[in-house]
Amino acid sequence: KNQVEQSPQSLIILEGKNCTLQCNYTVSPFSNLRWYKQDTGRGPVSLTIMTFSENTKSNGRYTATLDADTKQSSLHITASQLSDSASYICVVYQAGTALIFGKGTTLSVSS
Amino acid sequence: DVKVTQSSRYLVKRTGEKVFLECVQDMDHENMFWYRQDPGLGLRLIYFSYDVKMKEKGDIPEGYSVSREKKERFSLILESASTNQTSMYLCASSSPGINTGELFFGEGSRLTVL
Repeated sequence: KNQVEQSPQSLIILEGKNCTLQCNYTVSPFSNLRWYKQDTGRGPVSLTIMTFSENTKSNGRYTATLDADTKQSSLHITASQLSDSASYICVVYQAGTALIFGKGTTLSVSS
Repeated sequence: DVKVTQSSRYLVKRTGEKVFLECVQDMDHENMFWYRQDPGLGLRLIYFSYDVKMKEKGDIPEGYSVSREKKERFSLILESASTNQTSMYLCASSSPGINTGELFFGEGSRLTVL
């Protein structure tokens, strides 16, 4: 079954600390993977896209990795800020077929 | 700046009422989508459309219908609202290469059915 599993379900960290969110998928055939950030009460916004040939991509303090062999992706947030508090959703494109959504990780950054 | 606008941020309706949720995008995108988002379940696809007058069922179409009379507008209709349709509804659009392109979401419409 084509699935996208995210962990942890929720996470609380102190401002300034780093954290890593995980996304494991069983989607085949794989085309690409996107990370979205969703602030409370708002729509998701794309942070980054990872294609099969890409291992690492950065967007400011956000760094995404992809291991296509193990079918794992991670989103690393460096020097967290209060504004990073949000849900982070991993979405995998099953080539030619559909977008498969993970259920998200809720991150809370406290001062 | 690209924009997807949903007509209502918050709605409260009674069981059995007909509900219209409207979505307009200004990016000239061919593809438009309606999702619902519930705690613990994530985003689930209700309906999508690749072109004007065209619609396709998603994963959970029961109890919903859609209308796309113009390219920029995609409406979600609840013919007879029920309490289990209380949810956050998100509209999105994308350019062709439907599932490779980035989804642009609206702000969401939070519907409560009493």
